[in-house]
Amino acid sequence: AQSVTQPDIHITVSEGASLELRCNYSYGATPYLFWYVQSPGQGLQLLLKYFSGDTLVQGIKGFEAEFKRSQSSFNLRKPSVHWSDAAEYFCAVGEPYNTDKLIFGTGTRLQVFP
Amino acid sequence: DAGVIQSPRHEVTEMGQEVTLRCKPISGHDYLFWYRQTMMRGLELLIYFNNNVPIDDSGMPEDRFSAKMPNASFSTLKIQPSEPRDSAVYFCASSVGTGPYNEQFFGPGTRLTVL
Repeated sequence: AQSVTQPDIHITVSEGASLELRCNYSYGATPYLFWYVQSPGQGLQLLLKYFSGDTLVQGIKGFEAEFKRSQSSFNLRKPSVHWSDAAEYFCAVGEPYNTDKLIFGTGTRLQVFP
Repeated sequence: DAGVIQSPRHEVTEMGQEVTLRCKPISGHDYLFWYRQTMMRGLELLIYFNNNVPIDDSGMPEDRFSAKMPNASFSTLKIQPSEPRDSAVYFCASSVGTGPYNEQFFGPGTRLTVL
């Protein structure tokens, strides 16, 4: 069975600093990959997704993610973090042949200091 | 559109009581998903429907949990009897079609506390 690992439970950065959130997946083929953000008291919102093609994908709110097959990773990045980015971030994977379901990682909580 | 609507937003109940969570998907969406979020297990898919028909309920923890979708605009998740370990945030999500091309839109969640 495939799985998603987010190694960092909690990350703290200063406003204006760069950010990278890690995500690793376990799957034989190239899966479909997603990043979602959950603001406090809110549901999840899709930031970006990868299916195929260009391995660097752009999302909303200035986020981007890079798919690296050799490392089975799909890390989320942002060059300059804003205080409003404080939230919980979830990586998710969908099987190409069973795309009804998404498997979510356990999430990384981002705290931003002014 | 108002987005996915869930009610109530917060529910506190005592062990053994019946709990009903409600969801109104986005109009025109034909897939509806119920998730549970806990600190220990993260976000888990419980069940999902397509055109009001349950497709996969393998994530439902046990017989105490049941879900229905009587029409395209309404779904319920019922827990009877409730137990303290059911305390979690329950999310409903909906989408047009499924698969990676079809974004799931999440509701704000229902925070359930079972005492």
